[in-house]
Amino acid sequence: AQKITQTQPGMFVQEKEAVTLDCTYDTSDQSYGLFWYKQPSSGEMIFLIYQGSYDEQNATEGRYSLNFQKARKSANLVISASQLGDSAMYFCAMREGLAAGGTSYGKLTFGQGTILTVHP
Amino acid sequence: ETGVTQSPTHLIKTRGQQVTLRCSSQSGHNTVSWYQQALGQGPQFIFQYYREEENGRGNFPPRFSGLQFPNYSSELNVNALELDDSALYLCASSSDRRRAYEQYFGPGTRLTVT
Repeated sequence: AQKITQTQPGMFVQEKEAVTLDCTYDTSDQSYGLFWYKQPSSGEMIFLIYQGSYDEQNATEGRYSLNFQKARKSANLVISASQLGDSAMYFCAMREGLAAGGTSYGKLTFGQGTILTVHP
Repeated sequence: ETGVTQSPTHLIKTRGQQVTLRCSSQSGHNTVSWYQQALGQGPQFIFQYYREEENGRGNFPPRFSGLQFPNYSSELNVNALELDDSALYLCASSSDRRRAYEQYFGPGTRLTVT
């Protein structure tokens, strides 16, 4: 079974409008983290936002917010006031086992990604 | 803080050859993870190094190996290259002394196997 599912292969949005990119996840861990990364055509993965499973508030970082619905196991990314520079591939990712303690475990499991195109 | 750097940027190798990719961690980060990203796919976890030892591995064969050095920089070695090894290889650094979300990626090395 897929651990991270992004059901939207491609999304289009008009400049200055808001857009929501969907992400659902599957884990039996109680302590986990959810990430969103942006990958422009240059290839670099740019960290956008993080949500811990025990965080009560939805994470926000500037124009990015994460709509975290734990019971539904969803972690959708909302981009407000889209800009032309937001056109890129967006990946949702999960890190499990955060409560294990000891060494940091850097394994992220990524979804298939959503290509966002912002139209002028 | 200096970011994560990788070298080389691009590389072309022939099937059967061996390749070494390099990664320098972000300042203050003591953990390095490597990922393989095939075209049109999400990155796949290869392995992680912490304090110079491998402490986590994804579903990759033993011909994928690595090293981490005392300065926390890292190498990914791939032996007996296959055509399917053609991909973007990303390294990411993080720290067990920092917040869990601080995992930052380098720009990647694009490997083409012919």
